[in-house]
Amino acid sequence: RKEVEQDPGPFNVPEGATVAFNCTYSNSASQSFFWYRQDCRKEPKLLMSVYSSGNEDGRFTAQLNRASQYISLLIRDSKLSDSATYLCVVRGSGYSTLTFGKGTMLLVSP
Amino acid sequence: SAVISQKPSRDICQRGTSLTIQCQVDSQVTMMFWYRQQPGQSLTLIATANQGSEATYESGFVIDKFPISRPNLTFSTLTVSNMSPEDSSIYLCSVVRVGADTQYFGPGTRLTVL
Repeated sequence: RKEVEQDPGPFNVPEGATVAFNCTYSNSASQSFFWYRQDCRKEPKLLMSVYSSGNEDGRFTAQLNRASQYISLLIRDSKLSDSATYLCVVRGSGYSTLTFGKGTMLLVSP
Repeated sequence: SAVISQKPSRDICQRGTSLTIQCQVDSQVTMMFWYRQQPGQSLTLIATANQGSEATYESGFVIDKFPISRPNLTFSTLTVSNMSPEDSSIYLCSVVRVGADTQYFGPGTRLTVL
């Protein structure tokens, strides 16, 4: 089983749609969780951290279910500029290294 | 966020040669890492660059192939040695700042080996 698994992509949605990405992780000792965004031919950039209580940043909502080892990202009212690859990222305790999922590509069309 | 620069931004090299990539950060960081992202793939950690000591390599990566230096808290180099076309990839420097939890990435170095 892969350490971090994500929905296969690409997701093709129209502007204004709501889209959800799912991610599962295999290491139950994982402590920190993130969603990164990577535009074509660019470096990954942190979109948001994911907290146990769930957190929201504008149109983006992230949720964590530790019991199921499951992370989600919800994007409401999709914009053309949301088109990118979304990477689910997990880290163990302390300063242990990040483990990246393969990413899910989102394409938002007019 | 930390400002991270990498040099060169891209290069095309002949097989059998070596390339050294530099990573410079604008402030002191606790951790520095080197990743590789091959076409269509996610990021794979090569090693953790340790200040003043040998880097910590992940499984499948060795010092002879990817020597790394980190002489101080804001600078590191990665060398890709004796290159082959399979080394064609984007190489990314990544850091964690002092007192922070978030990891940031440099712009990457796009390497093509002919």
